[in-house]
Amino acid sequence: QQQVKQSPQSLIVQKGGIPIINCAYENTAFDYFPWYQQFPGKGPALLIAIRPDVSEKKEGRFTISFNKSAKQFSLHIMDSQPGDSATYFCAATKETSGSRLTFGEGTQLTVNP
Amino acid sequence: EAGVAQSPRYKIIEKRQSVAFWCNPISGHATLYWYQQILGQGPKLLIQFQNNGVVDDSQLPKDRFSAERLKGVDSTLKIQPAKLEDSAVYLCASSLDSARGYEQYFGPGTRLTVT
Repeated sequence: QQQVKQSPQSLIVQKGGIPIINCAYENTAFDYFPWYQQFPGKGPALLIAIRPDVSEKKEGRFTISFNKSAKQFSLHIMDSQPGDSATYFCAATKETSGSRLTFGEGTQLTVNP
Repeated sequence: EAGVAQSPRYKIIEKRQSVAFWCNPISGHATLYWYQQILGQGPKLLIQFQNNGVVDDSQLPKDRFSAERLKGVDSTLKIQPAKLEDSAVYLCASSLDSARGYEQYFGPGTRLTVT
């Protein structure tokens, strides 16, 4: 059973645009929601993460919006750059139990110059 | 700080052959994870070690996959015999301990092609 659904599968934007990637989860026990960025030939790298006690978190040009009642969260990339072109994965876990990360299926982002 | 090391980076084998992957986690990280990432999908956890003990191997196909972490540091993942559907990238990750499993650091992965 897939517990984290991610959309869209792929996304193309122009430089300076604001791509938005959405994720929805089912398990209400999840309490930590990280985003990973993966470049070709590399492993995923932790980008930004949020806990459900806040509705938004910003780190540089990356922002997570979180809607606990809807069980949804999204990643926004402000002023996107060609160097942001990568695959982005959302994930979810129960932070304190040491349980596994459940990943979404990924979004391949292309930022055109 | 050195990252998670994996080898080989690429491997091509025929079906029914065996293959082994090696992982060296970040120094001091007690927890080690092996993931399978099929093209176009997110990583799926195969097995999680805490030191040299298995914490979670519920998604490991035990009839053909095995993993060990004998001294609580390096780990190997083996597939025997391989099937076509095993073609994927095998990622190793580590975290300080299981309680900090939300902060995992991934290696570059081994791309396996089974023909």
